[in-house]
Amino acid sequence: DTAVSQTPKYLVTQMGNDKSIKCEQNLGHDTMYWYKQDSKKFLKIMFSYNNKELIINETVPNRFSPKSPDKAHLNLHINSLELGDSAVYFCASSQDLGVKGSPLHFGNGTRLTVT
Amino acid sequence: GQQLNQSPQSMFIQEGEDVSMNCTSSSIFNTWLWYKQDPGEGPVLLIALYKAGELTSNGRLTAQFGITRKDSFLNISASIPSDVGIYFCAGRISGGYQKVTFGTGTKLQVIP
Repeated sequence: DTAVSQTPKYLVTQMGNDKSIKCEQNLGHDTMYWYKQDSKKFLKIMFSYNNKELIINETVPNRFSPKSPDKAHLNLHINSLELGDSAVYFCASSQDLGVKGSPLHFGNGTRLTVT
Repeated sequence: GQQLNQSPQSMFIQEGEDVSMNCTSSSIFNTWLWYKQDPGEGPVLLIALYKAGELTSNGRLTAQFGITRKDSFLNISASIPSDVGIYFCAGRISGGYQKVTFGTGTKLQVIP
């Protein structure tokens, strides 16, 4: 049973194309995230949704648009892909319980290569 | 913004040796987390720390939440080949929906 699952695992596409990455979690968590990991392995948060509402929106180009149809799903759509978008994108989830907050649980990532 | 610096950046050790790595922040955190990432996979939680001074173990791993709340340490005892990977610290401010900030990572290589 995969707790946080992302599809596809690999995505190779050309500059200018539009692509989507899907994420689903079966942990019953109410918060989901998208992180970007660059070639130096640095993990940087992009977006966070709590119960389908956007709560964290870092400085990310408008070409990136997250969508959360329900609290178990958070998809990422990217328009007009650029070379610099090449990276590994990780979906994660957590159960925010107020003060403590639970740790993040990550999916296995989607490696995006833009040519 | 918040920055987390991990050291060392990478390390080669002999199987059986103990390993220490640390993480320092320019900000105070209420939660410290340690993750391990294997190639081709997402980070997996190793240890979570919620209180300044807390010392928590998970098998051969021990992590500490620094008293100043600006640092944390991870020790691995008697390393084995499967300890290879990238170790990330992460910090979180409690209250509301606070993001988790990740450290720069420590790449560990174990020589059999």
